[in-house]
Amino acid sequence: SQKIEQNSEALNIQEGKTATLTCNYTNYSPAYLQWYRQDPGRGPVFLLLIRENEKEKRKERLKVTFDTTLKQSLFHITASQPADSATYLCALEAGGGNKLTFGTGTQLKVEL
Amino acid sequence: EPEVTQTPSHQVTQMGQEVILRCVPISNHLYFYWYRQILGQKVEFLVSFYNNEISEKSEIFDDQFSVERPDGSNFTLKIRSTKLEDSAMYFCASSPDRANTEAFFGQGTRLTVV
Repeated sequence: SQKIEQNSEALNIQEGKTATLTCNYTNYSPAYLQWYRQDPGRGPVFLLLIRENEKEKRKERLKVTFDTTLKQSLFHITASQPADSATYLCALEAGGGNKLTFGTGTQLKVEL
Repeated sequence: EPEVTQTPSHQVTQMGQEVILRCVPISNHLYFYWYRQILGQKVEFLVSFYNNEISEKSEIFDDQFSVERPDGSNFTLKIRSTKLEDSAMYFCASSPDRANTEAFFGQGTRLTVV
């Protein structure tokens, strides 16, 4: 069966450190993978998209890698700040219809 | 900055009643979606809409659900006879086109069925 797995345990890190979140998937061949941020009671906010033929994408303090052989994406936030505290969701599109399938998300807490 | 707007922010309804959730997608976007998120669970796809018709729907989107784009700006989700298990946060989203596939989500409507 198809699965998208994110670390269900919350990730606590100190301000200034790099946070690394993992997204693993099985039985998908996604054309692209996306990362979203979700704050409590709010809608997901798009952060980054990486296509199957791209290895890495960067935007300001964010970096995403995509390994289609390992079926894994890593999401990095460098120089993390308390304002980065949120739940981060990975989402796959597979099938050409623009429909997104989301992982359960990883809650990140950045402490002073 | 353009955004997707949803109304109402919170809707309480009795089991068996019909509800209509409303959304105004970003004006030049072509793809529209509804997703839902049951409390503590993941965001789940319900339906996508393109060129005035449903392009894909999930197994959750049964005959109790319908979508409509009644004019050039609104996009609605109707649940005909609500059940307790329909209680969730419902998110509308839109995407610019097939090439630019990132989805812009609204703030959601919290539906509580009692």
